[in-house]
Amino acid sequence: AQSVTQLDSQVPVFEEAPVELRCNYSSSVSVYLFWYVQYPNQGLQLLLKYLSGSTLVKGINGFEAEFNKSQTSFHLRKPSVHISDTAEYFCAVSDGTYKYIFGTGTRLKVLA
Amino acid sequence: DAGVIQSPRHEVTEMGQEVTLRCKPISGHDYLFWYRQTMMRGLELLIYFNNNVPIDDSGMPEDRFSAKMPNASFSTLKIQPSEPRDSAVYFCASRPTGGESYNEQFFGPGTRLTVL
Repeated sequence: AQSVTQLDSQVPVFEEAPVELRCNYSSSVSVYLFWYVQYPNQGLQLLLKYLSGSTLVKGINGFEAEFNKSQTSFHLRKPSVHISDTAEYFCAVSDGTYKYIFGTGTRLKVLA
Repeated sequence: DAGVIQSPRHEVTEMGQEVTLRCKPISGHDYLFWYRQTMMRGLELLIYFNNNVPIDDSGMPEDRFSAKMPNASFSTLKIQPSEPRDSAVYFCASRPTGGESYNEQFFGPGTRLTVL
């Protein structure tokens, strides 16, 4: 069975500082990996996805993530955050079927 | 495209009442998903459809929950009778079978349900 672990439930960071949101997964098969962002009172929006190919994936709003198969990780990074990045971030895994397994989310709070 | 449309955005009802949540997927998307989001359990997949046919309903919590997709542009999630523990945000998502976004799920804004 697949699972996703987001170790940090909350991450406070000052504006213009770098941030890394951690995601680890377990799966016995090849996986597709995703990061979604949820702004307050809104639905989820795709930030980026890894399907195959280059392990460094660039997404919207300056975010990027690196797929590390040996460490079964897919951490999300941004070199300089803005107040507007305050949101909840979800990591998800799919084994190629049409189901996602979501992590519990990380609440990013950007401080002025 | 207007994206995935859900109605109502907010629903407040009393325990024991029937609740119907509605979803219009993005035109041309063959898959439709219903999720529930709570603080305690996070995002849970309840059921998903392919070409209007329910494929996996193993996430539906109990018989009080039912979902239908009578055509490609409309789906409902019904709770009857509702209970306070059903209070949550319910999301609908859709995805295409092929194309550049074939592995991406597009989410609606959600329906916030409160059962008193």
